[in-house]
Amino acid sequence: GIQVEQSPPDLILQEGANSTLRCNFSDSVNNLQWFHQNPWGQLINLFYIPSGTKQNGRLSATTVATERYSLLYISSSQTTDSGVYFCAVPQVSGSEKLVFGKGTKLTVNP
Amino acid sequence: EAGVTQSPTHLIKTRGQQATLRCSPISGHTSVYWYQQALGLGLQFLLWYDEGEERNRGNFPPRFSGRQFPNYSSELNVNALELEDSALYLCASSLRLIAGGPRYNEQFFGPGTRLTVL
Repeated sequence: GIQVEQSPPDLILQEGANSTLRCNFSDSVNNLQWFHQNPWGQLINLFYIPSGTKQNGRLSATTVATERYSLLYISSSQTTDSGVYFCAVPQVSGSEKLVFGKGTKLTVNP
Repeated sequence: EAGVTQSPTHLIKTRGQQATLRCSPISGHTSVYWYQQALGLGLQFLLWYDEGEERNRGNFPPRFSGRQFPNYSSELNVNALELEDSALYLCASSLRLIAGGPRYNEQFFGPGTRLTVL
């Protein structure tokens, strides 16, 4: 099945810094989701992005489907950005089964 | 618009018991998914229900089962609980796929049920 790898596994920043999180996938996909898992465990939808670039406030994401990767950019980080960021892709084209990466744990210090 | 809801928030059981977890999807969503997030194992797909039918299941034993009700809410049942079943169980919902429509619909997740097996 498809493999999803995220890097880095851990990231520590000072408030105000920028960061880039990466998601590589082993096969072509027709979609990709980025999530933020808060300290209570809930997955918050960030982006639904099969290709191209989307922006939402201080966050933006770019997926280059032909090269099998996606990037999540966080600018001017805040302590509330702390948590684990996951990317997920459908198991096979058209599948409803999401395969998740292992996540990037982000810690933003004041 | 209300999001996906799950109950209970926490559940404590002992080995051998049965656990029942509940999920209500976003209004208008007919597909419900269950995922397990166990320590060290990441997020793994468990089950997918749509229109009352089980459409797909992950690599989990048959003691993990569930159902979907006519109002599209869902239950996950775990029988003969084992210590390694301790995990966060997340439910998600999405619009159903339709012919000629998108080949994938965005999934939205609930807050989860944390199951502890003692």
